[in-house]
Amino acid sequence: DAGVTQSPTHLIKTRGQQVTLRCSPKSGHDTVSWYQQALGQGPQFIFQYYEEEERQRGNFPDRFSGHQFPNYSSELNVNALLLGDSALYLCASSLGFLHDQPQHFGDGTRLSIL
Amino acid sequence: AQTVTQSQPEMSVQEAETVTLSCTYDTSESDYYLFWYKQPPSRQMILVIRQEAYKQQNATENRFSVNFQKAAKSFSLKISDSQLGDAAMYFCAYLLYNNNDMRFGAGTRLTVKP
Repeated sequence: DAGVTQSPTHLIKTRGQQVTLRCSPKSGHDTVSWYQQALGQGPQFIFQYYEEEERQRGNFPDRFSGHQFPNYSSELNVNALLLGDSALYLCASSLGFLHDQPQHFGDGTRLSIL
Repeated sequence: AQTVTQSQPEMSVQEAETVTLSCTYDTSESDYYLFWYKQPPSRQMILVIRQEAYKQQNATENRFSVNFQKAAKSFSLKISDSQLGDAAMYFCAYLLYNNNDMRFGAGTRLTVKP
């Protein structure tokens, strides 16, 4: 039973570029949430996707966008990259967006901006 | 604003001993979930234990237990019989019932000495 998988593992970009991160949820899960974890801090909620729609968004600018596909996998896109976007990006999946189902996290994508 | 505070950036425990990690949170809501997550160097966030605010009984999962004091807005984690594999960053998190924006503390780094 595959858990949450994220790709790539590590990515290096320069300021102003655009990046796409990918997430495949745990088998049987249909909801995907994305988090940004800056160095030395706890994760911060970016947004959540369910039924291919963004259900809720945290305090992140429009440069951060996402998508969920019919197979429940998801992408996180970040445009016009800033140095401050350097972080570990975590994807978490769950069954439904009801909170009685726990979230399962992937290993994250480490994004470095030069 | 909902905030989570972990006042201990680092903690150390001797193998087989007991350690308690502190967490306080701030909310005006009455219905919410509280979590402790473990993040080893592999980066994957692993759910350790979960507590629903309406339950007075403290949650327990094997060697892990919590002391939930709702009036004091305190949610500490006790690890008994500490093992080398318990060494990791531990994050306390908070989630309102009808909200998907999980709020995390800044984490406590736990070292286990052999």
